[in-house]
Amino acid sequence: EAGVVQSPRYKIIEKKQPVAFWCNPISGHNTLYWYRQNLGQGPELLIRYENEEAVDDSQLPKDRFSAERLKGVDSTLKIQPAELGDSAVYLCASSLVRRQSSYNEQFFGPGTRLTVL
Amino acid sequence: AQKITQTQPGMFVQEKEAVTLDCTYDTSDQSYGLFWYKQPSSGEMIFLIYQGSYDEQNATEGRYSLNFQKARKSANLVISASQLGDSAMYFCAMRELTTSGTYKYIFGTGTRLKVLA
Repeated sequence: EAGVVQSPRYKIIEKKQPVAFWCNPISGHNTLYWYRQNLGQGPELLIRYENEEAVDDSQLPKDRFSAERLKGVDSTLKIQPAELGDSAVYLCASSLVRRQSSYNEQFFGPGTRLTVL
Repeated sequence: AQKITQTQPGMFVQEKEAVTLDCTYDTSDQSYGLFWYKQPSSGEMIFLIYQGSYDEQNATEGRYSLNFQKARKSANLVISASQLGDSAMYFCAMRELTTSGTYKYIFGTGTRLKVLA
């Protein structure tokens, strides 16, 4: 079974340019997460989708960041315009959330390393 | 305030020895979950082990075990018989139920483990 797929793996852009990241979750997983991981830190949640609904976007900087999850499957995360401080690894994860289960393991993709010059 | 605290930024262990990575957490919820992830230099987050707050026994998965002390709010990861391939960053994470009835994951800052030959 294929894991979470992310593209591109690396992206270098100049500040004020737009950038987009793509994520294809594990087939059948209803929940999708976008995280940002700064160097030397743990991942921080940006947005969480349950199916196509964004159920938690409280940490998403909405002035420049946007996300969508088409038909509850693939997702894109966009930054426009990018700033120097946006340099980080952007991780996508998915899980199959079952209300009756306390487990709900997340599976992570390899991430996209963004460098803003 | 930090909800997940990993006080060891870096650890060394001799190959074949056991090592304990510390994690303390802060929550007022009765129901929560604790996870450990491994992040090698390739960047992908790999799930290692899970402990539910109501689980009476400490979780074990192969060479990984979780020393869960609920009253002290600690969930230390124990790796037995360390291998060179265990060298990586290790993150402790907690899953909480939000007021909206969905789950939120919070990660610590990580511990970098180096296994010495």
